[in-house]
Amino acid sequence: GQNIDQPTEMTATEGAIVQINCTYQTSGFNGLFWYQQHAGEAPTFLSYNVLDGLEEKGRFSSFLSRSKGYSYLLLKELQMKDSASYLCAGMDSNYQLIWGAGTKLIIKP
Amino acid sequence: IAGITQAPTSQILAAGRRMTLRCTQDMRHNAMYWYRQDLGLGLRLIHYSNTAGTTGKGEVPDGYSVSRANTDDFPLTLASAVPSQTSVYFCASSDGTGANSPLHFGNGTRLTVT
Repeated sequence: GQNIDQPTEMTATEGAIVQINCTYQTSGFNGLFWYQQHAGEAPTFLSYNVLDGLEEKGRFSSFLSRSKGYSYLLLKELQMKDSASYLCAGMDSNYQLIWGAGTKLIIKP
Repeated sequence: IAGITQAPTSQILAAGRRMTLRCTQDMRHNAMYWYRQDLGLGLRLIHYSNTAGTTGKGEVPDGYSVSRANTDDFPLTLASAVPSQTSVYFCASSDGTGANSPLHFGNGTRLTVT
């Protein structure tokens, strides 16, 4: 079956670095997405990876290893506003998204 | 401001009643989607439409119907609501249906069925 696994909750300190991991199993693979969702709000797109390696966008980076079925989202110089849930989603061979339950990131001063 | 508008923002509905959740986008995106989000679960696709005039069933379509008469509107109807349909419903759109077509989400409708 198809499945996305990510930790339920993580805690980090303001100014630090945090890595949120995601493992995926999909029928075929057309890329891996990361979305950010603040409490009570809509998810917003952060990144897309389809090739192995690291994609950097400012304070946020996303990594993909297709051979390991693994991705991570790296957040640097954490700010209080980064407190949110981070959703990992894999796209299968039919271009359907399989979503993880999300990782709630708590930032402490 | 371009985007997706959902209405209502929240609703309390008696079981057995009929309800339509509205979704309108002004980005001229071809593809539109309805998801439900429940605590502890990933987003689950209810129905989708790749282009105006066509619709398809997602992972959890039972008890829901959709229509896509034009590009902009994609309403979701619950014919006879049941308590298990209590959820947060998100409408989304994308420019394409292939890879690297990020979804743009509306702000959601919080529905409680009593």
